[in-house]
Amino acid sequence: AQSVTQLDSQVPVFEEAPVELRCNYSSSVSVYLFWYVQYPNQGLQLLLKYLSGSTLVKGINGFEAEFNKSQTSFHLRKPSVHISDTAEYFCAVSKNDYKLSFGAGTTVTVRA
Amino acid sequence: DTEVTQTPKHLVMGMTNKKSLKCEQHMGHRAMYWYKQKAKKPPELMFVYSYEKLSINESVPSRFSPECPNSSLLNLHLHALQPEDSALYLCASSHREVAGVQNNEQFFGPGTRLTVL
Repeated sequence: AQSVTQLDSQVPVFEEAPVELRCNYSSSVSVYLFWYVQYPNQGLQLLLKYLSGSTLVKGINGFEAEFNKSQTSFHLRKPSVHISDTAEYFCAVSKNDYKLSFGAGTTVTVRA
Repeated sequence: DTEVTQTPKHLVMGMTNKKSLKCEQHMGHRAMYWYKQKAKKPPELMFVYSYEKLSINESVPSRFSPECPNSSLLNLHLHALQPEDSALYLCASSHREVAGVQNNEQFFGPGTRLTVL
């Protein structure tokens, strides 16, 4: 079975500063990796995904993530955040089946 | 149409009521999911339908009854719920495969906020 660890439960950050959200996973087989964002009172929206190929993945809203197989990590970054990036962020892992294993989530609060 | 829709947006029900949640997608996805999400927690998988057949039931109590009438619709029938069942219920859908590669990119609806009194 795979598990996902999001290393930071809360990340406060100032507007226009960079942010990094850390995600590590454990799996003995190849996996697919996802970052989802959940704005208050909304469903989950896919930010980006790694299925195969280039280890640097670019997503929506200026986010990117790097897949590091040796460190089993998939950290999410944005060089300059906006107030509107305040949200809950979930890292998720999937093997070759239907199940998504979610991390516990990271709450990002952007302050002016 | 790249959207999953859910109705109602909010639902308040008593413990003796029967109600249903509805989910619809028109992306041609053949896998559909129900999740339960408590505040400040990740979504928890409840059910998976693949090609309109129940594929996964994550040991969900029988007071939750899923139904997939066709490839675009997914229902969740609720009966005799408990206050601890109050949560955000999310529906999602995904392709079973894309170009021969298992692709579990799931598209989520906005959810139904359920309160059980």
